[in-house]
Amino acid sequence: NAGVMQNPRHLVRRRGQEARLRCSPMKGHSHVYWYRQLPEEGLKFMVYLQKENIIDESGMPKERFSAEFPKEGPSILRIQQVVRGDSAAYFCASSPGLRTTLGGTGELFFGEGSRLTVL
Amino acid sequence: GENVEQHPSTLSVQEGDSAVIKCTYSDSASNYFPWYKQELGKRPQLIIDIRSNVGEKKDQRIAVTLNKTAKHFSLHITETQPEDSAVYFCAATFTSGTYKYIFGTGTRLKVLA
Repeated sequence: NAGVMQNPRHLVRRRGQEARLRCSPMKGHSHVYWYRQLPEEGLKFMVYLQKENIIDESGMPKERFSAEFPKEGPSILRIQQVVRGDSAAYFCASSPGLRTTLGGTGELFFGEGSRLTVL
Repeated sequence: GENVEQHPSTLSVQEGDSAVIKCTYSDSASNYFPWYKQELGKRPQLIIDIRSNVGEKKDQRIAVTLNKTAKHFSLHITETQPEDSAVYFCAATFTSGTYKYIFGTGTRLKVLA
């Protein structure tokens, strides 16, 4: 069972370009979370999605950032017109859906992260 | 809004000593509290978790305690080893319908040989 897959692992963009980060959750998981981690800092919640639905995007910047999790395919975090301050590691995590999973641990499984560098 | 505070931000201990990291959460509806370990350049990985119906849980050298009244939970690592050096994050889930996971700001633990 493959874990959470993120790509690209490293992405370099110039200011003003677009960045697209992809996340394929673990098999059987229908919940995806995106977190941003600046160097030497913690995991900041950005958005929580289920298939075709955004459940909570309270951590997403109001402009330039968007996320989707289509019925088919990976979840995508899109950053338009990137600025230097967007340079960070972006982690995706997935879970099966804690509340209705009898005996489930509720564990979030993280991908290896996508490291965005904006020049 | 929801918040998880974590202390200390950095912690250095001698090999073999114990390390304690503390977290406080704001939403009394939280009922699941995991701890993650992140080694340099790697992804966070779950090391132990506790549910609100339990006061303490232990797994070998690692233990977690929960005080629901005070809304505190703590990670205890005994007999620390150099490989315990990493950043540790606490988290809490909020049962407000979305159960997003809010993480603490992290504790960088250094175990000195």
